[in-house]
Amino acid sequence: DTGVSQDPRHKITKRGQNVTFRCDPISEHNRLYWYRQTLGQGPEFLTYFQNEAQLEKSRLLSDRFSAERPKGSFSTLEIQRTEQGDSAMYLCASSVMVGGGTDTQYFGPGTRLTVL
Amino acid sequence: AQSVSQHNHHVILSEAASLELGCNYSYGGTVNLFWYVQYPGQHLQLLLKYFSGDPLVKGIKGFEAEFIKSKFSFNLRKPSVQWSDTAEYFCAVNKPNFGNEKLTFGTGTRLTIIP
Repeated sequence: DTGVSQDPRHKITKRGQNVTFRCDPISEHNRLYWYRQTLGQGPEFLTYFQNEAQLEKSRLLSDRFSAERPKGSFSTLEIQRTEQGDSAMYLCASSVMVGGGTDTQYFGPGTRLTVL
Repeated sequence: AQSVSQHNHHVILSEAASLELGCNYSYGGTVNLFWYVQYPGQHLQLLLKYFSGDPLVKGIKGFEAEFIKSKFSFNLRKPSVQWSDTAEYFCAVNKPNFGNEKLTFGTGTRLTIIP
């Protein structure tokens, strides 16, 4: 299967600890998105990369959050000094612009974070 | 800011019943529209999408959706549901451009099909 993969699938941490999640997009997809989904809600946009450049960050992304995509392939999302409110499913999606059309985002399985 | 409303939070149907899930969006410009489905224990999968052209779009597994621009709606339909359609359904919208095409999702509709 060459879909979007995310690691780890589940993470339990104590409040105040740092956590890092990884996303491997579909090969040759130049666009990568991070979303967060809480119980009973749809996914909410966090940040967007085109190749290695982080081009937009949501106001949901506080200073404790940082994301990278160093070589335009995989991406990492780090949360420093986690808080209980950070508990959520973190989703990664990738896409590619073909010609003059618009893209379709393909989602990974997500990383479920629980902050105790 | 654009927003998406899904008014049906939980729908329960018997097998073979017809399905219509509502989706309304608020955005005054050109939009792309999507329906994603999340089966129990699985990740979000694309059901169908509308970019332009025929406002009636067909997706996988017998689903279809109709874009009605005047009503800002993109309702999902299926003439006869199956037990395997039990899942959570999300409507999403984005603004086409040559950069960030972030999706704005509705809160989702949980569909339960009774055998």
